[in-house]
Amino acid sequence: DSGVTQTPKHLITATGQRVTLRCSPRSGDLSVYWYQQSLDQGLQFLIQYYNGEERAKGNILERFSAQQFPDLHSELNLSSLELGDSALYFCASSPNGQGPYEQYFGPGTRLTVT
Amino acid sequence: AQTVTQSQPEMSVQEAETVTLSCTYDTSENNYYLFWYKQPPSRQMILVIRQEAYKQQNATENRFSVNFQKAAKSFSLKISDSQLGDTAMYFCAFMKHWASGGSNYKLTFGKGTLLTVNP
Repeated sequence: DSGVTQTPKHLITATGQRVTLRCSPRSGDLSVYWYQQSLDQGLQFLIQYYNGEERAKGNILERFSAQQFPDLHSELNLSSLELGDSALYFCASSPNGQGPYEQYFGPGTRLTVT
Repeated sequence: AQTVTQSQPEMSVQEAETVTLSCTYDTSENNYYLFWYKQPPSRQMILVIRQEAYKQQNATENRFSVNFQKAAKSFSLKISDSQLGDTAMYFCAFMKHWASGGSNYKLTFGKGTLLTVNP
């Protein structure tokens, strides 16, 4: 158990809908990273937050957004969902915005868009 | 931009034997970190081992060790005394060093190698 929690574990929804994925980092970790794992794209970095502020963006679609709250939990919002958004979404946390701290991954949320 | 390449999509090994997974990467950075993550059928991403580029000594964690060749930009993982529980997808990943500046310490992953340990 990495100490990072993600809810829900599975999510099935229809095209055009909006969903919210939730992540709670390890106790004391200030940085949260979101990654998407799909068969065709592999593991890709989406976005990073540090202590409530957005720090970096990767290959994140405009239909996707995220935020980190004062209690440090983070939410990833996916809207106008398409079939291609079906993937495993991971949240990872690390102690602060700088390395060399390892990133510890949550169990992931499996999103299926039908 | 950094790239990570794992040229072996699948490998298999007999229980108790040794296997080596390959990884090459491309970067213009001088200081950075390399990682191996394991993803078993449960899909959980588990950190296996970490190497800091400025350290010449290869990292070791129990049955797992790396062969880090900085000039060749190669970072292979050796698993000794393979166990059935080692069956998983293994990902090589790159992260820039905190002293490189900026604020993005994302992990860049390879496509993975599916390792099957046979009884």
